[in-house]
Amino acid sequence: DVKVTQSSRYLVKRTGEKVFLECVQDMDHENMFWYRQDPGLGLRLIYFSYDVKMKEKGDIPEGYSVSREKKERFSLILESASTNQTSMYLCASSLSGGGETQYFGPGTRLLVL
Amino acid sequence: GQNIDQPTEMTATEGAIVQINCTYQTSGFNGLFWYQQHAGEAPTFLSYNVLDGLEEKGRFSSFLSRSKGYSYLLLKELQMKDSASYLCAVRFEVRGSYIPTFGRGTSLIVHP
Repeated sequence: DVKVTQSSRYLVKRTGEKVFLECVQDMDHENMFWYRQDPGLGLRLIYFSYDVKMKEKGDIPEGYSVSREKKERFSLILESASTNQTSMYLCASSLSGGGETQYFGPGTRLLVL
Repeated sequence: GQNIDQPTEMTATEGAIVQINCTYQTSGFNGLFWYQQHAGEAPTFLSYNVLDGLEEKGRFSSFLSRSKGYSYLLLKELQMKDSASYLCAVRFEVRGSYIPTFGRGTSLIVHP
């Protein structure tokens, strides 16, 4: 089974803190994604990566950065957390090419106070 | 991002059939996925369509019309456990990359 893990299920941080969300997949997938999910807004793409050290902005990259130093790991960084970044963060991975489904991690619910 | 529209909420009766529609902009289209997401859980894959027509997988079927920018997910013989959010995701080609964009999801409530 494909497994995508995220470092924390729940996280509470204070405004201005630097926050790291880690995602690891064990299926040698080329593509990795970070989404946030908010009620009424659905899943919105923050960043994605199609190879090691490669990254592309999604629809809402402002206030976030990412790092992909190894193929299996994709990190999302909030340089200075703000209350409007309180959300559910979902990581996903997929093989490259057509027709490849995404496999999602369990999500990290982040609360910024 | 690309506009993807699906109803916010639907209700249906156990044992019935329900159809969840999804419409999208056709430019750059490169495949459509349906995912199921139970409350508090991650989305899980249900179906994939890239050519016109119907894909059947047990109680679930998905249909695509590329020219109309339209898909639907059909759930038959509804069970209480089918109560979940159903996400339509369309993959678009953007600057040489294939980027999936999600609709806001349809919350399906199945009642006895």
